Amino acid sequence: QQQVKQSPQSLIVQKGGIPIINCAYENTAFDYFPWYQQFPGKGPALLIAIRPDVSEKKEGRFTISFNKSAKQFSLHIMDSQPGDSATYFCAASRRNFNKFYFGSGTKLNVKP
Amino acid sequence: ETGVTQSPTHLIKTRGQQVTLRCSSQSGHNTVSWYQQALGQGPQFIFQYYREEENGRGNFPPRFSGLQFPNYSSELNVNALELDDSALYLCASSLGGGQPQHFGDGTRLSIL
Repeated sequence: QQQVKQSPQSLIVQKGGIPIINCAYENTAFDYFPWYQQFPGKGPALLIAIRPDVSEKKEGRFTISFNKSAKQFSLHIMDSQPGDSATYFCAASRRNFNKFYFGSGTKLNVKP
Repeated sequence: ETGVTQSPTHLIKTRGQQVTLRCSSQSGHNTVSWYQQALGQGPQFIFQYYREEENGRGNFPPRFSGLQFPNYSSELNVNALELDDSALYLCASSLGGGQPQHFGDGTRLSIL
């Protein structure tokens, strides 16, 4: 059973567009939701993370929206750039335990 | 501050062989987790070590084993290699439960 479901699998946007990646989870014990960015040949790099006590968090051009009742969260990338082209993973974990459940990834292509 | 480093970067083995992968955690991080990332998939949790003790395990057989040393570096050992073990193996370190995980760039293991 997949703990975190991510969509879409791939996404193409024009430069300046706002790609949105969605994730859903089932386990209400999850209380930490990070997003990772991965370039080919590299490990995942932490972008931004949120805890369920807030509904939105912004860091630079990246925003997480969190809907606790729907058990869903999403990543928005404002003013997207070709350098943002990468694979994005959402993840979830429980308090005091660092086992992360990852989504299946979204491959983003930002066209110039 | 030195990040997470993994060695080797690439490795080719044949079925039935054994392999050891190594990870140096980020300075000050006492928790190390190992993940397997198949091509086009999200990372899958193998196990975690905290202060030299295994602190949780994912759905992997016993031929996947590990160690953590007093300096918090870690090894992943895989015995009786199978073709399906071909993947990117990622190490992540953190300051403990509920804290952000920082990943290395992984070891690409190919089984022939």
